[in-house]
Amino acid sequence: GAGVSQSPSNKVTEKGKDVELRCDPISGHTALYWYRQSLGQGLEFLIYFQGNSAPDKSGLPSDRFSAERTGGSVSTLTIQRTQQEDSAVYLCASSVNRDPGNSPLHFGNGTRLTVT
Amino acid sequence: GENVEQHPSTLSVQEGDSAVIKCTYSDSASNYFPWYKQELGKRPQLIIDIRSNVGEKKDQRIAVTLNKTAKHFSLHITETQPEDSAVYFCGGSGNTPLVFGKGTRLSVIA
Repeated sequence: GAGVSQSPSNKVTEKGKDVELRCDPISGHTALYWYRQSLGQGLEFLIYFQGNSAPDKSGLPSDRFSAERTGGSVSTLTIQRTQQEDSAVYLCASSVNRDPGNSPLHFGNGTRLTVT
Repeated sequence: GENVEQHPSTLSVQEGDSAVIKCTYSDSASNYFPWYKQELGKRPQLIIDIRSNVGEKKDQRIAVTLNKTAKHFSLHITETQPEDSAVYFCGGSGNTPLVFGKGTRLSVIA
């Protein structure tokens, strides 16, 4: 079946512009994560959504970053006033239930963001 | 929240040798520890996981061990093959979202 879908796959933007990254999780998956992967670096946790609960925003690096999840499905990660250090691959992942121990994360292919 | 440390950051082994990657975690409430493999230009994929009610789990050439007292866990790959070359991430979660270590770049030299 369809996996986690992210768009766009690549985004080049000028410093100071806002960007929106989209994630379509696997149908029926209630948990959704955003991670950031800078070049050659690890998977940095950004934000976590679970059903209708308030999201865990503890990983967002600054108030320029925000995310929404509408209707418990599609999520949008917004970065305002982009900076060059925001350049990275942004990965979305979903799982069928709240506890990743009972359902592994399925990752999308990511959006490669380049801020010039 | 949880903090996961991973070592080494890079590892080179000869084909056929074993590879070991080690991780430590900080939150004693964490109870789930997955390992993901990310090949160049691809998405991370789960290769094996372990829960805190067991000490070891094996799947063919891959095994993971967990020491809850010391709060560390390890990935063991035996009889390494060139296709094992990738970046490996360990993760930990319990009452907090799943967080990962910084990754280990494994190179298997033929």
